[in-house]
Amino acid sequence: GENVEQHPSTLSVQEGDSAVIKCTYSDSASNYFPWYKQELGKGPQLIIDIRSNVGEKKDQRIAVTLNKTAKHFSLHITETQPEDSAVYFCAGINQGGKLIFGQGTELSVKP
Amino acid sequence: KAGVTQTPRYLIKTRGQQVTLSCSPISGHRSVSWYQQTPGQGLQFLFEYFSETQRNKGNFPGRFSGRQFSNSRSEMNVSTLELGDSALYLCASSLAQGRSYNSPLHFGNGTRLTVT
Repeated sequence: GENVEQHPSTLSVQEGDSAVIKCTYSDSASNYFPWYKQELGKGPQLIIDIRSNVGEKKDQRIAVTLNKTAKHFSLHITETQPEDSAVYFCAGINQGGKLIFGQGTELSVKP
Repeated sequence: KAGVTQTPRYLIKTRGQQVTLSCSPISGHRSVSWYQQTPGQGLQFLFEYFSETQRNKGNFPGRFSGRQFSNSRSEMNVSTLELGDSALYLCASSLAQGRSYNSPLHFGNGTRLTVT
């Protein structure tokens, strides 16, 4: 069945460094890959997404890359700031419309 | 534009009771999905409704049910509550049309359910 694996489960970086979170998916029919940021006491918020016809997408300090052959995609955050501290979730969706989430990465940015 | 609204924010129930959670989607969104979030299992898909019809369902027992009204508002119900049902229940809405996914999910802040 569909499965999305996310690594690492926790990540600690110094302010100003880069952070990378990686996900792999099993359903080759998956064609949409969003990333969500969840702060304490709030629901997940979409920060960036990528569709299967694109290899890379960037939005200011955030970028996502997709390798369809290897079935993995990654989130890159550059020049990290303390307010980037949160739990990040990757997800994959197949043509059936079901969104499957990774287990989450708790990112801590130390000032 | 108002976001996804979930009520109540917090709920404490006893084993064996039932509970109903409510979700108001973003105006114009016709698809509503429900997720259960727990520390051990992460975000687990419960079901999705579109135009008052359930069109996708996760692997949860029949105690978990939902419905959607003509104004796209949705409710989910859990009967015969168990301790393991304690979780954050998240609702998300989207513009998604038909079967293929073409717009992102927008989540509410959830209902924190505690079963004692």
